[in-house]
Amino acid sequence: ETGVTQSPTHLIKTRGQQVTLRCSSQSGHNTVSWYQQALGQGPQFIFQYYREEENGRGNFPPRFSGLQFPNYSSELNVNALELDDSALYLCASSLELTGASEAFFGQGTRLTVV
Amino acid sequence: DQQVKQNSPSLSVQEGRISILNCDYTNSMFDYFLWYKKYPAEGPTFLISISSIKDKNEDGRFTVFLNKSAKHLSLHIVPSQPGDSAVYFCAASAEGNTGKLIFGQGTTLQVKP
Repeated sequence: ETGVTQSPTHLIKTRGQQVTLRCSSQSGHNTVSWYQQALGQGPQFIFQYYREEENGRGNFPPRFSGLQFPNYSSELNVNALELDDSALYLCASSLELTGASEAFFGQGTRLTVV
Repeated sequence: DQQVKQNSPSLSVQEGRISILNCDYTNSMFDYFLWYKKYPAEGPTFLISISSIKDKNEDGRFTVFLNKSAKHLSLHIVPSQPGDSAVYFCAASAEGNTGKLIFGQGTTLQVKP
């Protein structure tokens, strides 16, 4: 167990709706990253937060947004859901921004858009 | 543009034998490489890593080899055990930022008893 927890574990939403996914980082970790894993693919980097500021973004549209709170927990928000947003969403926390320590992943949230 | 590639979608080996999983990358700015293992309904679990200044890192049954000139790395598992059956992802990062990872597509390893 990594100490990174995500909620909810499963979610079904309708196209056009909005969704918020939550992540609680491992204790002491100030960096959190979000990934989208489509079926049969590797995780794709969405964005990263370091001490409440966005630090880099992958190739995802602005309707994907995030927040990191003072306790370093995080949210991923997706507006105007599309069918292709159906995927496993993973949160990963790291001890620091750099230093090459490994990132620890949560179990993921399975989002289905119908 | 797939910067990290795992060209073998699946691999099947006999228990006790060696498993070799391969990974190729294109971006010469990558300076840290990691292998993650993933079981169904779980998040990826860190397995082993290697810095670009090294060519080998060993941890128990797991060894990762890095060939920078070929932009290729491999994960060796010896001896393979049925519990090793999972999806293995190769991932790369730049500037030591291991929260910002580029993943390969994964290789499904099946170890037969």
